[in-house]
Amino acid sequence: DAGVIQSPRHEVTEMGQEVTLRCKPISGHDYLFWYRQTMMRGLELLIYFNNNVPIDDSGMPEDRFSAKMPNASFSTLKIQPSEPRDSAVYFCASSRPGMNTEAFFGQGTRLTVV
Amino acid sequence: GENVEQHPSTLSVQEGDSAVIKCTYSDSASNYFPWYKQELGKRPQLIIDIRSNVGEKKDQRIAVTLNKTAKHFSLHITETQPEDSAVYFCAASIQGNTPLVFGKGTRLSVIA
Repeated sequence: DAGVIQSPRHEVTEMGQEVTLRCKPISGHDYLFWYRQTMMRGLELLIYFNNNVPIDDSGMPEDRFSAKMPNASFSTLKIQPSEPRDSAVYFCASSRPGMNTEAFFGQGTRLTVV
Repeated sequence: GENVEQHPSTLSVQEGDSAVIKCTYSDSASNYFPWYKQELGKRPQLIIDIRSNVGEKKDQRIAVTLNKTAKHFSLHITETQPEDSAVYFCAASIQGNTPLVFGKGTRLSVIA
């Protein structure tokens, strides 16, 4: 398995534009997580899904953020409109339920909003 | 919800010395405590984890200890090497039930 795959790796966009980040979890993993990493706040959980259903989106900072998981192999995180303070590295991670709940991270998307 | 505090935020050690990073958690129901290593520009990767039914776990030069009564756990790295330089994150969760809550990370620098 290629692991968790995120795209794009880097995104530079102008303030006010829509940004869509994509994630393909590891096949067979039931859980998918979106984290945001900044120097000030560290790794923050934004939202997570179980079997494609959003379970907890309390970490989503504002209504400008939305996430979907239309099937077991794909998820998107959308920011509309984007703002400079959204600049961060966004990680997607997946895991299986059960005894070993290691979260496997993707390579991340470095978002810069200018 | 769970809150994880991690100290120190930065740590510099001489090559060959030991490094210790400490974390505390707030939710007594948490029972899974992994540690992740993140090298510059890369993804966090699991290096060791411990579950609440054990007090210590060791894997070569790294070890983790857990004190459930005090709600704290620590990462110990012995005989540090330059390639140990990275940011280390602790995390806590209720295994199989809640997502990982991470500490803010410790930037470890091993000086040759």
